[in-house]
Amino acid sequence: QVQLVQSGAEVKKPGSSVKVSCKASGGTFSSYAISWVRQAPGQGLEWMGGIIPIFGTANYAQKFQGRVTITADESTSTAYMELSSLRSEDTAVYYCARSIVVVPAAIPVIVAFDIWGQGTMVTVSS
Amino acid sequence: QSALTQPASVSGSPGQSITISCTGTSSDVGSYNLVSWYQQHPGKAPKLMIYEGSKRPSGVSNRFSGSKSGNTASLTISGLQAEDEADYYCCSYAGSSSKDVVFGGGTKLTVL
Repeated sequence: QVQLVQSGAEVKKPGSSVKVSCKASGGTFSSYAISWVRQAPGQGLEWMGGIIPIFGTANYAQKFQGRVTITADESTSTAYMELSSLRSEDTAVYYCARSIVVVPAAIPVIVAFDIWGQGTMVTVSS
Repeated sequence: QSALTQPASVSGSPGQSITISCTGTSSDVGSYNLVSWYQQHPGKAPKLMIYEGSKRPSGVSNRFSGSKSGNTASLTISGLQAEDEADYYCCSYAGSSSKDVVFGGGTKLTVL
C-alpha cells in the first residue's frame, strides 16, 4: 500500500521560497506521477502541477509557471515542490498526491489523484 | 473564481439520494470523460471517490456514482448516511492547450 508522508509546517517571510517534501513508501516510485495541490484556509482545492518521472516530464498550472518547481528523487522515493517569491496569498495547506495519468493524444497528462499526503501548512507572514 | 461550477451546498436526509453538479465548458468537461470527484472531511486530506467520469476506486462504496451530460458532470450519492456529510470537489483535465487540471469550488453536503 503506497503511503505519502510530507515534511512539517513552515513559516516564511514574503519574498522568500519554501521547499516541501513528499516521501513515498510502498509501490515503485518511478512508475507513478506526483502532483501538488494546495488549499488556502476555508477555500477550495487548486492544482499547482505534477511530475511524471517515467515520461521525464513536469507540467505546471499556468498560474504558477515560473514560480513553482516540482522535482523527484528516485533514489530516495521523494518528490519536492519549491515555491518562490512567496506572498501572503500563498498561505495554504500543500498536499502531494499520487496521480493517475492517461495518454489521450500521445501526450501523458495527469487527470486524477488517488493517494494523498497528510498536507503541509505553509504560512507566509512578515 | 473556479474553473468548474458547483453548487455551494446541497442537503438530504438519511436514506435519500442527492446529486451534485459540476459545470464546465466544451474545452474540459465536455471534451473528455476525465472528471474526478473528491470527498473531504474537515481537517483531512481529500479522498478520491470517482475517476474518469464513472469509475470507482477499490474500497469506495457503490452508493457513489458519476455521470456526464454535455458540459456537466454529476456525482450521485444514494442511501445517504451521516458519514457522507463532507465537502465534495469535482476536477477535470482542461484540455491539450493548457494541460492544466481544474477543480470546482466545492459543495458542502449536509445530512439532515
